[in-house]
Amino acid sequence: QKEVEQNSGPLSVPEGAIASLNCTYSDRGSQSFFWYRQYSGKSPELIMFIYSNGDKEDGRFTAQLNKASQYVSLLIRDSQPSDSATYLCAVNPSNAGGTSYGKLTFGQGTILTVHP
Amino acid sequence: ETGVTQTPRHLVMGMTNKKSLKCEQHLGHNAMYWYKQSAKKPLELMFVYSLEERVENNSVPSRFSPECPNSSHLFLHLHTLQPEDSALYLCASSQGVGRGSYNEQFFGPGTRLTVL
Repeated sequence: QKEVEQNSGPLSVPEGAIASLNCTYSDRGSQSFFWYRQYSGKSPELIMFIYSNGDKEDGRFTAQLNKASQYVSLLIRDSQPSDSATYLCAVNPSNAGGTSYGKLTFGQGTILTVHP
Repeated sequence: ETGVTQTPRHLVMGMTNKKSLKCEQHLGHNAMYWYKQSAKKPLELMFVYSLEERVENNSVPSRFSPECPNSSHLFLHLHTLQPEDSALYLCASSQGVGRGSYNEQFFGPGTRLTVL
């Protein structure tokens, strides 16, 4: 089983719709969870992080975390063509909690295409 | 300069060459990372430095040699690489303040490496 698993897609949604991106993780003790956006040929850009169960909203983006189900998702409301990118889920595993740095384990990413 | 910078942005080298990648962070962070990103694969963590000390080396071949002279600078020295080492090499930094830190990582633009 992969440590962080994402559907590679591509996920195609029409402009204005809600895009739903999902991620599951295997380490039950994981502490914090991150969503990065990566445009083709560019480096990952942090969109949001979440550490408590429930929802966290930032503009058109909502991150949802369910630690019991080991599941984290990202919703993008009113999707725009400019949202077309690869979305990476990253998890801070439990064995990194006692260290002086924050190791992240990344999923392989979901390709999102928003068509006009 | 702000954020995380990397030079060069593109590098083409022969298998017998020696070259170095440079990363600099202007965020006052204590931890720095090297990642390799190949097509259709998750980000692969290569090395982690915390407070200038190497804390993780993920079974990376010895033809890759990292160096961290201070908390703002990170190098990756390359020698006798193979064509399969062609990839996007990303540097990242994080606050790295210890247990409970969310430790979001911020990425540089990357170096696109081609080994002939």
